[in-house]
Amino acid sequence: EAGVAQSPRYKIIEKRQSVAFWCNPISGHATLYWYQQILGQGPKLLIQFQNNGVVDDSQLPKDRFSAERLKGVDSTLKIQPAKLEDSAVYLCASSLDRWTSGHSSYNEQFFGPGTRLTVL
Amino acid sequence: GIQVEQSPPDLILQEGANSTLRCNFSDSVNNLQWFHQNPWGQLINLFYIPSGTKQNGRLSATTVATERYSLLYISSSQTTDSGVYFCAVEQKDGGTSYGKLTFGQGTILTVHP
Repeated sequence: EAGVAQSPRYKIIEKRQSVAFWCNPISGHATLYWYQQILGQGPKLLIQFQNNGVVDDSQLPKDRFSAERLKGVDSTLKIQPAKLEDSAVYLCASSLDRWTSGHSSYNEQFFGPGTRLTVL
Repeated sequence: GIQVEQSPPDLILQEGANSTLRCNFSDSVNNLQWFHQNPWGQLINLFYIPSGTKQNGRLSATTVATERYSLLYISSSQTTDSGVYFCAVEQKDGGTSYGKLTFGQGTILTVHP
């Protein structure tokens, strides 16, 4: 079974530029998450989708960050304009839908390899 | 929100040694996961363990939900075990935190040959 895919793996931009990250979840996983991991810290949730609807975006800085999940599969996270403090690893994760799965680990999250963003 | 504390923050071992990593959390949880973040940044699932005990090879984990802690045991450590170990929890709060994992700060493990 293929894991969560992300691209690009690395990105270097200058402040005030824009950048976009792409994520393809595990096939059949209805819930998709974007996390931000700053160096030396644990990941923090930015936004959560169930199918193509937003469940929680309370931690997303909406003045510069946006995310979408058209057709309930792939997702894109965008930053415009980027700031120096946005330098971090952006992780995408997915999990089965709690209400439709009969599997015992229905809420286990699986992470992609991440995109390392450096803002100069 | 829920607080997650991991200890120790750093751990240095010789190959072959055993270790115990601890995760304390401040409220009831629906979900608890242990991850290993390798030097390339990939988060690798170790255990999904909201309660009880599980074993996978040299690794095992125990979560005592009523006392709000979880332990990760690594036996006969190898250099490839090096990296950061994270505990992450989903707070049980009637659905408000559904799916939201809150991570601890991690334990940095270094295993020397």
